[in-house]
Amino acid sequence: NAGVTQTPKFQVLKTGQSMTLQCAQDMNHNSMYWYRQDPGMGLRLIYYSASEGTTDKGEVPNGYNVSRLNKREFSLRLESAAPSQTSVYFCASMKAYEQYFGPGTRLTVT
Amino acid sequence: RKEVEQDPGPFNVPEGATVAFNCTYSNSASQSFFWYRQDCRKEPKLLMSVYSSGNEDGRFTAQLNRASQYISLLIRDSKLSDSATYLCVAPMNYGGSQGNLIFGKGTKLSVKP
Repeated sequence: NAGVTQTPKFQVLKTGQSMTLQCAQDMNHNSMYWYRQDPGMGLRLIYYSASEGTTDKGEVPNGYNVSRLNKREFSLRLESAAPSQTSVYFCASMKAYEQYFGPGTRLTVT
Repeated sequence: RKEVEQDPGPFNVPEGATVAFNCTYSNSASQSFFWYRQDCRKEPKLLMSVYSSGNEDGRFTAQLNRASQYISLLIRDSKLSDSATYLCVAPMNYGGSQGNLIFGKGTKLSVKP
């Protein structure tokens, strides 16, 4: 099992550009999550999906959109990137309160 | 009061030392807690769960004090490989967010030779 995979691993964007971060899990979990992690801020929840077909806002949703394409895949889209969105983005899936994280995407917006 | 609070450290200890981290939580209804470990530039991974008064796994012991609303993680006989950031985690138990987790900002541990 690959667990949780994320693409890309690194990305540099210019302000105003758009991009989609991809996430997939092969553990048949219902719940999936997108977090961002910044120095001194810890992990902050952007969006989550409790099951296929549903998505909900987390703590810091502004500037992002998500799509739960199917049970396996949960994507995060930045429509117009801003320097404040420079961060490390983690996708996770969860079963019984244990979250399994992907390796992260390091995004820099210049 | 923030939902999950941790001392950010860093804790710098020699190999073989015993080190303890504390974490306080605000939601008295929480029933289970977790410690995650995050290595530098890596993703967090579950280290231990705490569902009742405590849990022990080898050199690691997690304890829960419901009356004072804190969780502790004790590491005995520290190894160089224990160097990492340790995240205290509690579940959300309210509203539509049930099942989601709240992560503390983490405590950094550095074990020196």
